[in-house]
Amino acid sequence: AQSVAQPEDQVNVAEGNPLTVKCTYSVSGNPYLFWYVQYPNRGLQFLLKYITGDNLVKGSYGFEAEFNKSQTSFHLKKPSALVSDSALYFCAVRDNQNAGNMLTFGGGTRLMVKP
Amino acid sequence: EPEVTQTPSHQVTQMGQEVILRCVPISNHLYFYWYRQILGQKVEFLVSFYNNEISEKSEIFDDQFSVERPDGSNFTLKIRSTKLEDSAMYFCASRRTGFEQYFGPGTRLTVT
Repeated sequence: AQSVAQPEDQVNVAEGNPLTVKCTYSVSGNPYLFWYVQYPNRGLQFLLKYITGDNLVKGSYGFEAEFNKSQTSFHLKKPSALVSDSALYFCAVRDNQNAGNMLTFGGGTRLMVKP
Repeated sequence: EPEVTQTPSHQVTQMGQEVILRCVPISNHLYFYWYRQILGQKVEFLVSFYNNEISEKSEIFDDQFSVERPDGSNFTLKIRSTKLEDSAMYFCASRRTGFEQYFGPGTRLTVT
């Protein structure tokens, strides 16, 4: 079975400071990893993914994430936070042995960026 | 930019009633999904659909649930006899052949 943990319900950061939103995962095979963001009254928007290759992946809106196989982590990062980054962030994993391609999501982390 | 759309945005129904939630996936996508999120809980997978059949379903997706792609554009989720615990936000998603799934804005289902 695959699972995802986001250990922080909320992350607070000042505008202009770097941010990190943590995610750890568990899968049987090799992981496909994703970050999604949810703004109020909106659906989940795809930010970035790791499938294979370079451990540092870049995505939308200046976000990036680092895949660490030994720590089974995929933390989301941004060098300089904006107030408009305030939203709910979800990490998700898909086991590459899973035929149906279902995503398993973490519980979400609310990011609050203060001016 | 093409988007997944869902209707209605909010559905209120009485326990025991049937509901149909509708989704229009991105037009050239091939794989379709339903997820749900009970308030304050994780987003949970319900079902995946490909080539006009269910490819995978979760334990949640019991006989009360069904999916259909009645024409080339719509993808529906039917709940035959709603229960209070079916109250949740239901998300439709689709993908083409890439790995990322694209989600709609969701339908909030309230069962009273």
